[in-house]
Amino acid sequence: QKEVEQNSGPLSVPEGAIASLNCTYSDRVSQSFFWYRQYSGKSPELIMSIYSNGDKEDGRFTAQLNKASQYVSLLIRDSQPSDSATYLCAVNIGDYKLSFGAGTTVTVRA
Amino acid sequence: EADIYQTPRYLVIGTGKKITLECSQTMGHDKMYWYQQDPGMELHLIHYSYGVNSTEKGDLSSESTVSRIRTEHFPLTLESARPSHTSQYLCASSEGGANEKLFFGSGTQLSVL
Repeated sequence: QKEVEQNSGPLSVPEGAIASLNCTYSDRVSQSFFWYRQYSGKSPELIMSIYSNGDKEDGRFTAQLNKASQYVSLLIRDSQPSDSATYLCAVNIGDYKLSFGAGTTVTVRA
Repeated sequence: EADIYQTPRYLVIGTGKKITLECSQTMGHDKMYWYQQDPGMELHLIHYSYGVNSTEKGDLSSESTVSRIRTEHFPLTLESARPSHTSQYLCASSEGGANEKLFFGSGTQLSVL
């Protein structure tokens, strides 16, 4: 079983819609969770971090964490063409190391 | 803006050559990492360092080696490149502690013929 699994995508949404990205993880003791955005040909950049159960909002992005279900999600509201990218879920697996999912590619149609 | 630099950006090299991928950061971060990424696949941790003279192998077996003689410099070396080493190599650093944000370099795309 992979440490971090994401919905496979690709995900195509119309401009202005909500994009919903899902991620599950296998290590019950993980305490830190991250979403990175990676544009084609570029390196990943951090867009959200979440450490406690519940929702965390930052602009048009909302991260949701449910540790009991070992599930973390990312919602992108009012999707824009500039949101078209691959979104990587990352989970801390101890000793300051992160395990990454394979990513979900989002395409926002104008 | 992240101050972490990787060179070269692209490298095409023949089988059997020795190569060194350079990574430097000016943020004073103790923790540095090398990840390998293939298209559509996860980033795999191949090496990490928590400070000068500290290096560890990551979760993905790799024939490469690293060194950390200075805080700001974390080069990766392949003694004898093979086509199976063709991949994107990403260097990253972090402050560690409560702030686990990774700053990534631009990456090196390595092609071994």
